[in-house]
Amino acid sequence: GIQVEQSPPDLILQEGANSTLRCNFSDSVNNLQWFHQNPWGQLINLFYIPSGTKQNGRLSATTVATERYSLLYISSSQTTDSGVYFCAVEGSQGNLIFGKGTKLSVKP
Amino acid sequence: KAGVTQTPRYLIKTRGQQVTLSCSPISGHRSVSWYQQTPGQGLQFLFEYFSETQRNKGNFPGRFSGRQFSNSRSEMNVSTLELGDSALYLCASSLGWVNEKLFFGSGTQLSVL
Repeated sequence: GIQVEQSPPDLILQEGANSTLRCNFSDSVNNLQWFHQNPWGQLINLFYIPSGTKQNGRLSATTVATERYSLLYISSSQTTDSGVYFCAVEGSQGNLIFGKGTKLSVKP
Repeated sequence: KAGVTQTPRYLIKTRGQQVTLSCSPISGHRSVSWYQQTPGQGLQFLFEYFSETQRNKGNFPGRFSGRQFSNSRSEMNVSTLELGDSALYLCASSLGWVNEKLFFGSGTQLSVL
């Protein structure tokens, strides 16, 4: 089945810094989503982005489908950005297949 | 509008017992999916229901089952609990069409002692 790899696994930032999270996938996809899991466990949908670029405030995402990767950019990070960021793509059963996530810690 | 609601938030059970988790999707959403999250295996797909029918199923044993009601609310049941069933169980809802955003609830944290 399709494989999803995220990097880096852990990231520590000082408040105000920028960061780039990467998601590589092993096959072509029609559905790619980025999620943020907050410390209380809730998964928040950040982007639905099978291709192209989208922006939402300080966050933006780019997916290059032909090269099988997606990037999530976080600018001017805040402590509330801390948590785990997941990339997920659609599997053959119509479900989402998640990467292992990038754990982000933003220090004040 | 209200988000996806999961109850209860926490559950503690002992081995051999059974448990039922509940999920109320966003109003108007007809698809409900269930995922299990553990530190070792990450997020894994359990099953998906659409219009009261199981549409997709992941690779979990038959002890894991679910159903969906006519109002789209869904329940998940785990019978004969094992220690390894301790996990965060997340429910997600969507309109039910292909390639669309999923919206997750806060999850039910199940601990099996």
